[in-house]
Amino acid sequence: GAVVSQHPSRVICKSGTSVKIECRSLDFQATTMFWYRQFPKQSLMLMATSNEGSKATYEQGVEKDKFLINHASLTLSTLTVTSAHPEDSSFYICSARPLGTGKETQYFGPGTRLLVL
Amino acid sequence: GQQLNQSPQSMFIQEGEDVSMNCTSSSIFNTWLWYKQDPGEGPVLLIALYKAGELTSNGRLTAQFGITRKDSFLNISASIPSDVGIYFCAGRTTSGTYKYIFGTGTRLKVLA
Repeated sequence: GAVVSQHPSRVICKSGTSVKIECRSLDFQATTMFWYRQFPKQSLMLMATSNEGSKATYEQGVEKDKFLINHASLTLSTLTVTSAHPEDSSFYICSARPLGTGKETQYFGPGTRLLVL
Repeated sequence: GQQLNQSPQSMFIQEGEDVSMNCTSSSIFNTWLWYKQDPGEGPVLLIALYKAGELTSNGRLTAQFGITRKDSFLNISASIPSDVGIYFCAGRTTSGTYKYIFGTGTRLKVLA
């Protein structure tokens, strides 16, 4: 149980294009999902909290118009990197908080590696 | 963003040895999570701690929620080569949100 998937696992795009990354909780519902960014040999940095049915909450320094988040259902959140540039190249990981388990935890997806040329 | 202090940063150990790592913070936390991340993968949840003083095991792994609520420890007994990876702690503050702050990570390498 508690499986989270991400799609795509890897994407290469040209500078100026937009890229959409999907995060799905496969066997549980999640009203809250989180998007992280991880640079090589560094820790996970929270970008935003995705709330089902409402606007995402962005961390300080994260441009909401650059990183669009949509949480359309209890099992799906999407992150769109708009007008991507080489400095956006990174490992993007989502996590999902199970609904109604009584225990606070997060389960992570396998990550999406983005390379912007 | 804010991060927890995690130590050691990296360690090389011989197969069969025990391993200890810890996370400390100046803030009080009400939940601690420990994850393991393999290269190119997402973190996998190892142990979750919810009460100060709580000691929880998962196979050869044991983690403790510090009494002061500002630290947590993870021990791995009788390490094996597949224990290699990066271990992260994550703490949730008492602020009422569901956000977690992640530690800086401990890179473990096991020598066979």
